[in-house]
Amino acid sequence: DGGITQSPKYLFRKEGQNVTLSCEQNLNHDAMYWYRQDPGQGLRLIYYSQIVNDFQKGDIAEGYSVSREKKESFPLTVTSAQKNPTAFYLCASSIDSMGPQHFGDGTRLSIL
Amino acid sequence: ILNVEQSPQSLHVQEGDSTNFTCSFPSSNFYALHWYRWETAKSPEALFVMTLNGDEKKKGRISATLNTKEGYSYLYIKGSQPEDSATYLCALHPNTGNQFYFGTGTSLTVIP
Repeated sequence: DGGITQSPKYLFRKEGQNVTLSCEQNLNHDAMYWYRQDPGQGLRLIYYSQIVNDFQKGDIAEGYSVSREKKESFPLTVTSAQKNPTAFYLCASSIDSMGPQHFGDGTRLSIL
Repeated sequence: ILNVEQSPQSLHVQEGDSTNFTCSFPSSNFYALHWYRWETAKSPEALFVMTLNGDEKKKGRISATLNTKEGYSYLYIKGSQPEDSATYLCALHPNTGNQFYFGTGTSLTVIP
């Protein structure tokens, strides 16, 4: 079955620690996205990538980093510079930048 | 950052009732609008991609209309069923850039 796999489902971060959230897709999609959801707010874009080895910042990129070395993979690193990382993170992909997005099941990140 | 608003925030209807909710967006920034359904414990699922003023799309008992001149889209559900219970999200793709702006969603509960 084609789809998007996010791991882990739950993640805990200690102060000063970087953590990486995994996102893999086997849909052969060019575009991939990372969103953050906080209570009472819509999904907010952190980073997106339209093609391998290229990515752009979204509205809330500070404290995050990404890479796109392979078409299938778009990992998100939450760095220690992100002072309020507790949130639900969703990864998505689409065939191109206009197409409907397919979402993973999400990763919930909490601070220890 | 573009403001995409959805109303109402939540809705409770009886099984069999028809219902509708609204997504409002800045008309001057419109390029495309997506609707998604997000059921609890699942990932968001694309419903419609709408691009043309006056567009009307239908999927089973769910339909959507689009008015780009006044900046809104309606989602209608005819004869609501308990399985329609979900949060319905709209997302605007503006006419500049390649990111989507999501509304906060309308949470629908259909009471059997």
